[in-house]
Amino acid sequence: DQQVKQNSPSLSVQEGRISILNCDYTNSMFDYFLWYKKYPAEGPTFLISISSIKDKNEDGRFTVFLNKSAKHLSLHIVPSQPGDSAVYFCAASGQGSEKLVFGKGTKLTVNP
Amino acid sequence: SAVISQKPSRDICQRGTSLTIQCQVDSQVTMMFWYRQQPGQSLTLIATANQGSEATYESGFVIDKFPISRPNLTFSTLTVSNMSPEDSSIYLCSVVTGITGELFFGEGSRLTVL
Repeated sequence: DQQVKQNSPSLSVQEGRISILNCDYTNSMFDYFLWYKKYPAEGPTFLISISSIKDKNEDGRFTVFLNKSAKHLSLHIVPSQPGDSAVYFCAASGQGSEKLVFGKGTKLTVNP
Repeated sequence: SAVISQKPSRDICQRGTSLTIQCQVDSQVTMMFWYRQQPGQSLTLIATANQGSEATYESGFVIDKFPISRPNLTFSTLTVSNMSPEDSSIYLCSVVTGITGELFFGEGSRLTVL
């Protein structure tokens, strides 16, 4: 049973527009959520995180929104740039554990 | 942050053989993690490697198949034993560092088992 789900395997947007990547989770014990970005032939790199006590966290062009009642989070990238083209993984952890549960990832393509 | 180096970056292996992946971190860390990413799948935690004690394996992973060493606070190895094509994956070493607890990953080791 997949506890973290990214239902869109891919997303394509135009440069300058908004990219919205979605993530759903099933485990109500998760209280910390992260987004990682992965380029081909590289390991994932941390992008942004959010604690369950917040519903929004912003860092430059990247904003993560958390809807606890819906067990849903999303990553917004505005404006999208071609260099943002990568696979984005949603991850979650809970109860003070450092173990992360990952989604399958969404491949974002930003077209010039 | 942490700089993590993995070797080999990729390899093609024959069925039934074993391969050891090395992970070197540029700072001392308490916990190191080994993940696997099979084609089209999410990153899945194999085990947690703590220095000075046995690795802790997640459900579905066993020490005989994935023996791990952790001789010091900057180094770990993961061996994929008696490989089959189903073991073809990217294997990633990772560490937690910093006050916010983000994971830092190595570049990954892409194994193809024929």
